[in-house]
Amino acid sequence: QVLLQESGPGLVKPSETLSLSCSVSGGSISGYYWTWIRQPAGKGLEWIGRFFTSGSVYYNPSLENRVTMSVDTSKNELSLRLISVTAADTAVYYCAREVSLYGYSSYLDYWGQGKLVTVSS
Amino acid sequence: DIQMTQSPSSLSASVGDTVTISCRAGQTISSYLNWYQHKPGKAPKLLIYNTSSLRGGVPSRFSGRRSGTDFTLTISSLQPEDFATYYCQQTYTNIRTFGQGTKVEIK
Repeated sequence: QVLLQESGPGLVKPSETLSLSCSVSGGSISGYYWTWIRQPAGKGLEWIGRFFTSGSVYYNPSLENRVTMSVDTSKNELSLRLISVTAADTAVYYCAREVSLYGYSSYLDYWGQGKLVTVSS
Repeated sequence: DIQMTQSPSSLSASVGDTVTISCRAGQTISSYLNWYQHKPGKAPKLLIYNTSSLRGGVPSRFSGRRSGTDFTLTISSLQPEDFATYYCQQTYTNIRTFGQGTKVEIK
C-alpha cells in the first residue's frame, strides 16, 4: 500500500513562499509522474502541475511563473514551492501519484490526505 | 488548456435513484477522461479511467460513457455512501485539467 503524506507550515504570510513536502512510503518514487493539486475552500480541484522523476515537468500556466516542483529520491520525498503567495493561494494542497498506462492514458491512483495552507498576516 | 465543463454543478437525489453527471471537453480528448469522487476531509478517489474502465474495487453501479467530446458518469441505484462531489479530469494533454465538480446531495 502506497502512502502519501503532505507536511509543511499551515500558515504563510502574504508575499512569502509556500513550501510543502510529500513523503511517499510503501513504494518507489522512481518511474512515476507525481502531481500536486489544490482545493480552495468552497471551490473545486485545481491541477497545479506534474513532474517525472527523471526530469519532465509541466505546470498549470496560471501558476508556472511562481511554482517549482522537485523530488528527493534518496528521501522518497516530493516538494512544492510557491512564491509570492496571496490570500488566493489559501487551499488544501494534495500530492498524488500518476500512473501511466499507454498513450495518453493515465490516472491518479494514490493521494495524500491533504494539507491546509492559509495565507494570512 | 483544455476546458472541462461539468453539469450540473449540484443535484439532489434520493437513495435508489439513478443520477447522471455530464462533462464536456473544450476540444477532442479522445477517451482520456477520468472520474474522481471526493468527500469532505478525505482524499479524492479514482472511480473510472479512460472514459469507462472501472477501477478495481469500485462498485458496478458506477459507469461512464463518451459521445464525441461529451462524457457522462452514471450512478445507478444511488447509495448513502455515494453522496459526494464528482470531478472529471482529462489526461489528453500534458497540462491536465479538472471539471469544476458536481455535488450530489441527499434530497
